[in-house]
Amino acid sequence: GDSVTQMEGPVTLSEEAFLTINCTYTATGYPSLFWYVQYPGEGLQLLLKATKADDKGSNKGFEATYRKETTSFHLEKGSVQVSDSAVYFCALLFNTGGFKTIFGAGTRLFVKA
Amino acid sequence: GAVVSQHPSWVICKSGTSVKIECRSLDFQATTMFWYRQFPKQSLMLMATSNEGSKATYEQGVEKDKFLINHASLTLSTLTVTSAHPEDSSFYNCSAERAEAADTQYFGPGTRLTVL
Repeated sequence: GDSVTQMEGPVTLSEEAFLTINCTYTATGYPSLFWYVQYPGEGLQLLLKATKADDKGSNKGFEATYRKETTSFHLEKGSVQVSDSAVYFCALLFNTGGFKTIFGAGTRLFVKA
Repeated sequence: GAVVSQHPSWVICKSGTSVKIECRSLDFQATTMFWYRQFPKQSLMLMATSNEGSKATYEQGVEKDKFLINHASLTLSTLTVTSAHPEDSSFYNCSAERAEAADTQYFGPGTRLTVL
C-alpha cells in the first residue's frame, strides 16, 4: 500500500546550519506530496507542496523537489533559525474516489542559538 | 483565508463521560472534513472522513459507535467521543478541504483530550 517514510529525529542543528530532512514514499499512481510543520502546542500548517514530478515547492526558505525516479521529496533549508524548531511531517495525498492523506512519522527539529 | 478552528482546545473529563469536539471552517465552505488522532510524538492517523449531509467513512479499526461524527453543515463537523476512557486520551485534529481545491487540507489547531 501507499506509505511515507521520513528520517527519524530529533535533528539538532545550530542556527544558520543547512537542513535536510529526508522523505521517501511508495505509491501507486501519481500522488501529490506535502510538507507540514507543527510548532509546539499548535496544529499542523501546510509548509509547501508539489503536485507532479519535478515540481519544486517552496515557502519561508524551505524547498522540496518531487523526484519520481527516486520517489523522494526531501525538505531543505539553507540557513535555519531558532524559530524553525518544530516537528515536520512529510505527507502523500492520493485519490481513491476521495482524497486521502498519509503522513510520515514526523521529524522533530531543534535549532540552537 | 482558509482558517479552521477547533473547540475546545483542551478538555479534561472523567472516565465514562462523553466529549464533543467541534471543527469549523471560518471563511470557506468545506465539502469534506477529516478527523485525525495523534498520539504523543507520533504521526497523525486518519480516523474518518466526513462529507456534509452524509454518513462519515471510518478507517479500519476505528469504532464508529465510539467516535460519532456529524457534518451537519458546510462549515461544521463534530466528533463525539462516547463513554471516554483513559486510553482515548490523545490529540484530536481536524482538517477541511475546499470544493475548489480538494488537494489541499487546512488543519485546525487540535484538541487535547485527557480522560481521568
